[in-house]
Amino acid sequence: DAGVIQSPRHEVTEMGQEVTLRCKPISGHNSLFWYRQTMMRGLELLIYFNNNVPIDDSGMPEDRFSAKMPNASFSTLKIQPSEPRDSAVYFCASSLASGTGQPQHFGDGTRLSIL
Amino acid sequence: GESVGLHLPTLSVQEGDNSIINCAYSNSASDYFIWYKQESGKGPQFIIDIRSNMDKRQGQRVTVLLNKTVKHLSLQIAATQPGDSAVYFCAQEGNNRLAFGKGNQVVVIP
Repeated sequence: DAGVIQSPRHEVTEMGQEVTLRCKPISGHNSLFWYRQTMMRGLELLIYFNNNVPIDDSGMPEDRFSAKMPNASFSTLKIQPSEPRDSAVYFCASSLASGTGQPQHFGDGTRLSIL
Repeated sequence: GESVGLHLPTLSVQEGDNSIINCAYSNSASDYFIWYKQESGKGPQFIIDIRSNMDKRQGQRVTVLLNKTVKHLSLQIAATQPGDSAVYFCAQEGNNRLAFGKGNQVVVIP
């Protein structure tokens, strides 16, 4: 069975450029989560969606970050303009439903480097 | 706010021995707990979960123990193998989200 699929796996770009990360959740999952992982902060929840609707974006660090979920099978996380401190691994995860005792399943992440 | 913390940053274990990873959590209202394994270059992988109405749950070579009295969670890995080398995270559910611990590196010595 296909798990959560993220693209690209690696992204290297110069500061100031727009970065778009993509995620395809597991089919049938109704909740989607975006995380950022760094050595200093560990795994941080940025935003999550239930049934394609953003529920909590309090973890989004700045207005430079935005996320969308136009349909049940696709989500994007965009950074514009990007800065070197945005360098991290970004994970997408999905679950059957949030807050109901269902595990989240993670993709293999996008390793982002902003020069 | 919620926090989930681990006692030891690195655990070195001889191949074939049993491993125990410990985790303390702060949200006593949480009903659901999960252990994840993260290998280098990959995302966290679900290992096993447990609900608050249980104090022990077993999987294949893994056992999770939950002590609600002292807010403590542990993961036991039997007959540790080289493939078990990874970072292990505990997580607890609260406010419709998971709060993750900082991770515990397990190194298996062949």
